[in-house]
Amino acid sequence: EVQLVESGGGLVQPGGSLRLSCAASGFTFSSYWMHWVRQAPGKGLEWVANIKEDGSENYYVDSVKGRFTISRDNAKNSLYLQMNSLRAEDTAVYYCGRALFSSGSEWGQGTLVTVSS
Amino acid sequence: QSVLTQPPSASGTPGQRVTISCSGSRSNIGNNPVNWFQQLPGTAPKLLIYSNNERPSGVPDRFSGSKSGTSASLAISGLQSEDEADYYCAAWDGSLNGAVFGGGTQVTVL
Repeated sequence: EVQLVESGGGLVQPGGSLRLSCAASGFTFSSYWMHWVRQAPGKGLEWVANIKEDGSENYYVDSVKGRFTISRDNAKNSLYLQMNSLRAEDTAVYYCGRALFSSGSEWGQGTLVTVSS
Repeated sequence: QSVLTQPPSASGTPGQRVTISCSGSRSNIGNNPVNWFQQLPGTAPKLLIYSNNERPSGVPDRFSGSKSGTSASLAISGLQSEDEADYYCAAWDGSLNGAVFGGGTQVTVL
């Protein structure tokens, strides 16, 4: 059974940092592009970043460029999102996703990040 | 303001057919496949349609997708109460070098 389990969310002050993790199991992690997608409270979905199977390519939404870094450790079947210089508008549930746009698409249950003083 | 435009709401009675539109541009829908996600209340999104009109295994054939030019649509035939959810279209945008979502459409079964 495919499982994606996010962790690392919580309350952080504006300007602070947080590192999200996504533990993958039940499939060959190194064979898939992985994504982070977020959803602010009561709002729609926003794609945040993705990373190629071997980590050699990644892309970001403009609003997080220079502040967030996506990475992966295929030996540990894990995906990460390092978030620096956090702002109130980064408050959201962050979902880890596998192969967002193919028949193999799977999502985790999400982890809540709250940026507030 | 979302890059892809969807109506905020749609509704129908059980058994009816409901259609949701998604409008984009050449850099996203015009040149890339469209995908649709369903988000039931309080749950994570789930892929409903990929590559414009393909259904992952387990998705009922009541759900269908289509695309023409820079627009796409999702149709739900034989609407059921369990179809009450938010629906999002999404595509890769070659100009932004990123994925873009529509703002979401809340479907209500009357």
